Amino acid sequence: NAGVTQTPKFRILKIGQSMTLQCTQDMNHNYMYWYRQDPGMGLKLIYYSVGAGITDKGEVPNGYNVSRSTTEDFPLRLELAAPSQTSVYFCASSYSRSYNEQFFGPGTRLTVL
Amino acid sequence: QKEVEQDPGPLSVPEGAIVSLNCTYSNSAFQYFMWYRQYSRKGPELLMYTYSSGNKEDGRFTAQVDKSSKYISLFIRDSQPSDSATYLCAMTGNQFYFGTGTSLTVIP
Repeated sequence: NAGVTQTPKFRILKIGQSMTLQCTQDMNHNYMYWYRQDPGMGLKLIYYSVGAGITDKGEVPNGYNVSRSTTEDFPLRLELAAPSQTSVYFCASSYSRSYNEQFFGPGTRLTVL
Repeated sequence: QKEVEQDPGPLSVPEGAIVSLNCTYSNSAFQYFMWYRQYSRKGPELLMYTYSSGNKEDGRFTAQVDKSSKYISLFIRDSQPSDSATYLCAMTGNQFYFGTGTSLTVIP
């Protein structure tokens, strides 16, 4: 049982490039989340999904896109990367939207230069 | 006003000290209260959770919730260098709300 896995661990992008951050969970959780974490700013919710085919915006969705074609996978797409998107990105999953533990992946450290 | 407020620290204590970490919140509808621990360059992991007011103890850790004051605390007794991490409070109503985290260093 691997839990939540994320790839890549690290990435450096040039301004204007695009990339997809991968997230997979093997716990059969319906709910999945993408957060970004900046120093001293805590976790900011980017997008979340309540099941395959259903996604919704979080607190800071601009510049990002998501899709959820399967229960297991929840990729995050960055189009036209900007320096403001330099951050650590965490994917998480949970059995339900609230009242249950969120399980986090190890994170992807992204730098945009 | 933020839903959840947490003192970012950093907090530095000698080994063996008692540590108190705190969060305040504004939404009286919150019912589940959690503490996550995040080691450097790792994802957060659940440390403790409590439901409604009261105390919950797990080894050296005690989580306390005071709903009347909208205040939660995490106490760490006999702190160890391995406790050095960032501690995030979290609480749920219809969705998760995380605090910004308190960075703790326990000095041997």
